[in-house]
Formats: sequence, C-alpha cells, structure tokens
Amino acid sequence: GENVEQHPSTLSVQEGDSAVIKCTYSDSASNYFPWYKQELGKGPQLIIDIRSNVGEKKDQRIAVTLNKTAKHFSLHITETQPEDSAVYFCAASGDGGATNKLIFGTGTLLAVQP
Amino acid sequence: NAGVTQTPKFRILKIGQSMTLQCTQDMNHNYMYWYRQDPGMGLKLIYYSVGAGITDKGEVPNGYNVSRSTTEDFPLRLELAAPSQTSVYFCASSYDPRGSPLHFGNGTRLTVT
Repeated sequence: GENVEQHPSTLSVQEGDSAVIKCTYSDSASNYFPWYKQELGKGPQLIIDIRSNVGEKKDQRIAVTLNKTAKHFSLHITETQPEDSAVYFCAASGDGGATNKLIFGTGTLLAVQP
Repeated sequence: NAGVTQTPKFRILKIGQSMTLQCTQDMNHNYMYWYRQDPGMGLKLIYYSVGAGITDKGEVPNGYNVSRSTTEDFPLRLELAAPSQTSVYFCASSYDPRGSPLHFGNGTRLTVT
C-alpha cells in the first residue's frame, strides 16, 4: 500500500522568511496530493492540493510542487507570518482516488518567530 | 452549515468499557471517514464509508466497528477499550471520491486508563 514520508518534523523560521516542507510517496498510482493545516485543538483543514497532471500550483503565499518521476511533492510558504504557525500534513490518495482514502505523512510543526 | 460535528469532545474510559463516538455531517456527503491521530504518527485511517449501508476497513481497524444507516451519521464503536486506543479521533467527509477536500470535525480526545 501507499506510504508517505514527511520532513522535517519541526521547522522554526523567522517572520518573513520562507518555509519548505517535503514529502515522498511510494505508490505510483497515487494521483491526488493535498496539504492540510491543523491548528491547536481543531481538525485539519485543506490549504492547497495538486493532482498528478500538474507540476505546480500557487495560491497567494502558498505553493505546492510535484515531481512524479521522483515521487515527491513539497509545500512552500513565502513571507511567513505568526498565524502560519501550526502543524502541516501532506497526504496522498491511497488508491488512485477511487474512494478518496488519504494516507497522511507524520506532520511538520511549523513555528514562525515574530 | 455546521459541517462535521463530533461528540463528545473529551472522554475517559476504563479498560474494557465500551463507547460510541458520534459523527454527523450536514453537507450531504456520501463519503465519510474515521481517522485516529497519535503524537508523531500523523493520521491513520480506521474505517470509511462510500454511502449509506456500505463500510470498509482502513489501515488500523482492529478494535473498532462502524455503521452507516444514514447519509448524515457515521458512528465509531469501541467495544472493549484498551490503553492502545488512547488517541484523538477525527471524523471527516467528502463530496466526491476523485480528489475532493476532506472536511474534518474538531475531534474527540479519548483516554483509556
């Protein structure tokens, strides 16, 4: 089955710097790669996603890149702000999207220092 | 819309007790999921459902049961609670299986002692 690895587990940046979180997946059939942000005491919330037919997607300060050949995808946050502090999870569709079962990475705790 | 609602928010169980974690959604989503979240381990899929009357196992189903009698509700049952089931449980739903966002509830924090 699908396996998703995520690095780093913790990341501390200064406000205004960029942050990059990287994930690798094992199943070449996976075709959907979302990123979720989880704030303390809440459930994860989708922030951006990318499908296997696209190499890059941007939404304001957030971007995701996908390298299908290498089976890795990354989250890029530019001009970080204190409110970006949270746990971020990457995920991959575990069955090619047939049932939208997602396999999650282990999470990255991002701390943005003012 | 309330989205995905989970109850209770917190619960302490003794070993061997049973309980049901409730999950309801008001978005008319066919697809619903139960995940557990352990520190440093991400989210693991317990069970999922593609519609009323249809359920299937995820990555870590042992010790749990589910049912889906209506589109709105997807309860998770723990029959004989064990310390290994101490975790935060999240219910989620989605509209479409082909890569649509999962909408999560705010979780139930369960401690088994």
